[in-house]
Amino acid sequence: GAVVSQHPSWVICKSGTSVKIECRSLDFQATTMFWYRQFPKQSLMLMATSNEGSKATYEQGVEKDKFLINHASLTLSTLTVTSAHPEDSSFYICSAREGVNQPQHFGDGTRLSIL
Amino acid sequence: KNQVEQSPQSLIILEGKNCTLQCNYTVSPFSNLRWYKQDTGRGPVSLTIMTFSENTKSNGRYTATLDADTKQSSLHITASQLSDSASYICVVTDIMFSGGYNKLIFGAGTRLAVHP
Repeated sequence: GAVVSQHPSWVICKSGTSVKIECRSLDFQATTMFWYRQFPKQSLMLMATSNEGSKATYEQGVEKDKFLINHASLTLSTLTVTSAHPEDSSFYICSAREGVNQPQHFGDGTRLSIL
Repeated sequence: KNQVEQSPQSLIILEGKNCTLQCNYTVSPFSNLRWYKQDTGRGPVSLTIMTFSENTKSNGRYTATLDADTKQSSLHITASQLSDSASYICVVTDIMFSGGYNKLIFGAGTRLAVHP
C-alpha cells in the first residue's frame, strides 16, 4: 500500500533554532500534501495544504512566516519551523494524496520538543 | 460550522470484550466517512471508509456503520485485543467545490484502553 515517510520522528532542540521536517511519498506521486499539528489528547488540526510547484495555502491562524512549507517535487514536502519556541512543541503529521479524489495517506509524525 | 463529535472520550474494556464507539457529524454534504486508528506517537491508519450511500463496512474485527439520515456513525470492535489500545478517530470528508479539493474534518477521537 501507499507509504508516506516522515523524518525525523523525534527532534529536541533549543529555543530559537529552526527545524526542518521532511515528508516523502515512497510509492506514489503526491500532487497534494497536507501538514497537521496535534497536541496531546487532541485531534489533528490542519495547518496548511501544499500543491507541488505552488505556494502553500495556510489555515486561518497559522503563521506562514513561522511555518515555511516547500513542495518542490511530487514526492517531497518540507515543513520548517523557524525560530522555534517551547509553545511550538507538538506532534506534526504530514499526509499526501495522489489526486483530488484519492485518499490521504498519513506519515508517522514528528514529535518536536523545544527546550 | 462543520463538526465531528465522538463519544465516549475514553473507554476501558477487558481483553476479549466488544465495544462500540460513536461519531455524530454535521458535515453536509460529505464525500465519505472514515474511521482511523492512531497508536500513541504514530500517524493515523485507515480502518474503514464509507460513502454516504453505504450503511456498513467491515475490516476484520472492525465494523463501521453509517446512518446518513441521522448523521451518525459507529465503530464496533469485536473480541478486543491488547493491541487495539489506541485512539480511534472519525473523519468526514467535506466537499469544497471552490478550489476542488476535499477537506478532512476530524473528530477528537476516542481513546480506547484494552486491559488483560
